[in-house]
Amino acid sequence: SQQGEEDPQALSIQEGENATMNCSYKTSINNLQWYRQNSGRGLVHLILIRSNEREKHSGRLRVTLDTSKKSSSLLITASRAADTASYFCATVLGTYKYIFGTGTRLKVLA
Amino acid sequence: DADVTQTPRNRITKTGKRIMLECSQTKGHDRMYWYRQDPGLGLRLIYYSFDVKDINKGEISDGYSVSRQAQAKFSLSLESAIPNQTALYFCATSASSGEQYFGPGTRLTVT
Repeated sequence: SQQGEEDPQALSIQEGENATMNCSYKTSINNLQWYRQNSGRGLVHLILIRSNEREKHSGRLRVTLDTSKKSSSLLITASRAADTASYFCATVLGTYKYIFGTGTRLKVLA
Repeated sequence: DADVTQTPRNRITKTGKRIMLECSQTKGHDRMYWYRQDPGLGLRLIYYSFDVKDINKGEISDGYSVSRQAQAKFSLSLESAIPNQTALYFCATSASSGEQYFGPGTRLTVT
């Protein structure tokens, strides 16, 4: 069964707008990571947030983690056409078990 | 050059055939993983290895086997391919800090 579930499944926005996607999970985690996948290609690591952190920033990315609600959100500000991709959250249990969600497909319209 | 490479990139094979997918990495990481990706199901872990002598089954290992020939090489075999093994296969490594690095993927079709 999937540990992480992203919401929404698909999102379409205009260039310059912000994109927010959410991830919910079921069990306690070591850390949570977000990845981007361009169509048919390998996943690229974006950001990692540890279970004792609440918010993290990297460039135009902002990630929040609420362990009490078992949820995380990824905000992409001032989106660009190049941000069009699928975004996955991965919850990490212990030292090896990465469980990926089903992804959010983001389309940024120029 | 890419840090994690996979060969072949695309493969079409017939039911019952044996096939090997290969992965090489130049990241110097000890931990390596094999995943498969199916539409709508995200990535699922097939096998993982923490070093040359340590290989472990993942969530969906039935029908697959692996070999860790060296720190840099981790291959996945389908002993007798079946159509429901048609998928996109990814190899990954992980750093001690936790982030994973993925290869470009192998698109496998079993007819």
